[in-house]
Amino acid sequence: DIQMTQSPSSLSASVGDRVTITCRASQSVNTYLNWYQQKPGKAPNLLIYTISTLQSGVPSRFSGSGSGTDFTLTISSLQPEDFATYYCQQTYNFPYTFGQGTKVEIK
Amino acid sequence: QVQLQESGPGLVKPSGTLSLTCGVSGVSITSSNLWSWVRQPPGEGLEWIGEVYQSGTTNDNPSLKSRVTMSVDKSKNQFSLKLSSVTAADTAVYYCVTRRSGHYFLDYWGQGTLVTVSS
Repeated sequence: DIQMTQSPSSLSASVGDRVTITCRASQSVNTYLNWYQQKPGKAPNLLIYTISTLQSGVPSRFSGSGSGTDFTLTISSLQPEDFATYYCQQTYNFPYTFGQGTKVEIK
Repeated sequence: QVQLQESGPGLVKPSGTLSLTCGVSGVSITSSNLWSWVRQPPGEGLEWIGEVYQSGTTNDNPSLKSRVTMSVDKSKNQFSLKLSSVTAADTAVYYCVTRRSGHYFLDYWGQGTLVTVSS
């Protein structure tokens, strides 16, 4: 299985801060890297797919980058509604695997 | 608009079989979508269980050691998950999810249903 490792596991930030979350795969996942946002008690919501393509309706302050095994999710200016847990996911090989999550909390 | 809704018992006894159904609206179960299950133990991360195509072809997670059966019911526009020989470790929120064929991301999710394994 491809292991996905996110860092940090949690972070505290203020509204307006620039936030960066990293995701490392144990082997290349080509472009098959997605990001999801999950708020408490809710289902995950697709934010970004194939490394950097924003899902329809997702604000432009979210962006994704990277290649091969190293990827980044960036929130350019954190908003109150962005406090949530973020997961990366590879869909290059079965079984599809997720990172352990990064919880973004209010500072 | 695609909508998914999980249903099934919220409590299953150890060694029993967990059975969930996902009702689909807004798209035909016979479309080119793949129909998936993802679970999340309380306070933990996400685990992909597997997916089933309208033909019955499945891809599943070997970590579940062949305990998983997934199927499609075309007459009811729904798909199902059965997980056998459950233990407390199978306690989780179970989500039904879909992706379009050729699209390798999960773009529509059900709200999730908590299944507790306990005697």
